[in-house]
Amino acid sequence: DIQMTQFPSSVSASIGDRVTITCRASRPISSCLAWYQQKPGKAPKLLVHSASSFHIGVPTTFSAGGSGTEFTLTISSLQPEDVATYYCQQASSFPLTFGGGTKVEIK
Amino acid sequence: QVQLQQWGPGLLKPSETLSLTCAVYGGSFNGYYWTWIRQPPGKGLEWIGQINHSGSTTYNPSLKGRVTISVDTSKNQFSLKLRSVNAADTAVYYCARGAYSGGDCKPQIDYWGQGTLVAVSS
Repeated sequence: DIQMTQFPSSVSASIGDRVTITCRASRPISSCLAWYQQKPGKAPKLLVHSASSFHIGVPTTFSAGGSGTEFTLTISSLQPEDVATYYCQQASSFPLTFGGGTKVEIK
Repeated sequence: QVQLQQWGPGLLKPSETLSLTCAVYGGSFNGYYWTWIRQPPGKGLEWIGQINHSGSTTYNPSLKGRVTISVDTSKNQFSLKLRSVNAADTAVYYCARGAYSGGDCKPQIDYWGQGTLVAVSS
């Protein structure tokens, strides 16, 4: 199985700060990576597919990129509604696997 | 707008069979991979498996043959059965839609159901 490692596991930042989450795959996965946002008590929502393509309605404060084994998700200006846990998922080979999550909080 | 609505029992005893169903509203049923994912309380996400409209399945080997996913195209529904459950199977179970985005990538999940908490306890 491909192991997905996310870091940091949690981050606390101020409103308006830039926040970057990194996801690393245990072997190359091309651009077969998705990012999800999960708010407490809710189902995850797709933010990004194919490493850098945004799903409908995702705010422009989010950016994403990477390929191979290292990927990033960046929030350029943290807003209260961005408080959530963010997960990456590889879609290169079965079984599909997720990173452990990054919890984003407001300082 | 695509919506997935799921249902099933929320409490099971050890050794029983977990059974959940998910109905899909909006969008096409064909051309997608209908997926189950679970999340133990306070933990991360685990992909269980997927099925397409013609019944072709792929499962996570970690579930050691206990899982069956089936589809009913006449109702735009798909189902999960997990046999011989134990406390480690306690989780929120999500149904979801997997979509191909081109290239060599497997389906990536674009829509999720609301989740069902299934607790296994004697």
